[in-house]
Amino acid sequence: GDSVTQMEGPVTLSEEAFLTINCTYTATGYPSLFWYVQYPGEGLQLLLKATKADDKGSNKGFEATYRKETTSFHLEKGSVQVSDSAVYFCALSENAGGTSYGKLTFGQGTILTVHP
Amino acid sequence: DTAVSQTPKYLVTQMGNDKSIKCEQNLGHDTMYWYKQDSKKFLKIMFSYNNKELIINETVPNRFSPKSPDKAHLNLHINSLELGDSAVYFCASSRRHDRGYTFGSGTRLTVV
Repeated sequence: GDSVTQMEGPVTLSEEAFLTINCTYTATGYPSLFWYVQYPGEGLQLLLKATKADDKGSNKGFEATYRKETTSFHLEKGSVQVSDSAVYFCALSENAGGTSYGKLTFGQGTILTVHP
Repeated sequence: DTAVSQTPKYLVTQMGNDKSIKCEQNLGHDTMYWYKQDSKKFLKIMFSYNNKELIINETVPNRFSPKSPDKAHLNLHINSLELGDSAVYFCASSRRHDRGYTFGSGTRLTVV
């Protein structure tokens, strides 16, 4: 079945440092890929997405590129802020032609803490 | 506000009790979901409904029963609660062919 693997955390950075959170996936078809963010005590929010190979999703300074050849969707940000401290989830969804109606399979989450 | 709203936000109850969590979305989405997040933050799908029809039913004990009276509501009823049911339960919704979810803020269930 489909699966998503993220780099283990927690990740601790100083403000303005460069962030990379690795994500690789296994899927039988051509999934869409997502990054979600969960701030303390809140639900998940969609951060960015990419629906086909070589697409780049971006939002709030975060970027991720859909790499089919390496089955990866690594999250990057050039300069993190304290307010970026949260849990980040990589996820995939089977394509619209399937019968899953958009079921999301999540990675295990990576806790990011940014210090001033 | 357009959103996915869950109630209650916190639920503390004793083993063996029966409890319900309610979810409503006013986004006009066709599909709704229940996810369970354990203490290690791992998220696993439990159920999914599309236009009131159950379409995903993962390996979940029979004590958990979802109910969707209409496509804007998806409730979760849990019978005979056990300690292992303690978790945060998230409701979410999406359009059928737009696979970004909108999540509720979660219900933290603690069974004592």
